[in-house]
Amino acid sequence: EVQLLESGGGLVQPGGSLRLSCAASGFNFGAYAMSWVRQAPGKGLEWVSSIGGSGANTYYYADSVKGRFIIPRDHSTNTLYLQMNSLRAEDTAIYYCVKDREWLPRGYFDSWGQGTLVTVSS
Amino acid sequence: QSVLTQPPSASGTPGQRVTISCSGSSSNIGSNYVYWYQQLPGTAPKLLIYRNNQRPSGVPDRFSASKSGTSASLAISGLRSEDEADYYCAAWDDSLNSLFGGGTKLTVL
Repeated sequence: EVQLLESGGGLVQPGGSLRLSCAASGFNFGAYAMSWVRQAPGKGLEWVSSIGGSGANTYYYADSVKGRFIIPRDHSTNTLYLQMNSLRAEDTAIYYCVKDREWLPRGYFDSWGQGTLVTVSS
Repeated sequence: QSVLTQPPSASGTPGQRVTISCSGSSSNIGSNYVYWYQQLPGTAPKLLIYRNNQRPSGVPDRFSASKSGTSASLAISGLRSEDEADYYCAAWDDSLNSLFGGGTKLTVL
């Protein structure tokens, strides 16, 4: 069974940094692209970033986070990360770790974690 | 404002058939697969439809979807109270972004 367990959310001041983690299990982690999708309170889903599977060397970012967020993954520990810098109030959201069904990111999100809440406020 | 356009709300009575539309453009729906996600209240989204019209195992055949040109639609027949949820369409865009619709809140009256 696929399991995606996010951690690292919390309260951070504007301009601050936070690193989210997603521990993946139950599947061949390196064979699939992974993504982060967020949902602001009471709002819809917003794609944040995607990274290809092992060896793909592909990284995609939404314009709203480009230059501020980085999406590395560690195949030795089956962990996906989201390094978030220069955080803004509008980054406040639940952040979902999502498994793609394919090796390259194509938005085919077949498994979702339960999410971790990030609040950016002074 | 989302690039993929959905109606903000839809409703129906138990047993009815409802449809939810999703409109995009040639760079997303027009040239890539469409996906639909269901988000029950207080839970994470779940894949409902993949590759335009395919149901993952475990999704009832009451749920169906189609795509034509730059638009897509989700149909739910035999509406049940447990179908009350938010529904999102999604598609990859040729600009190397994944796009979601704004979501449709389905109310079962």
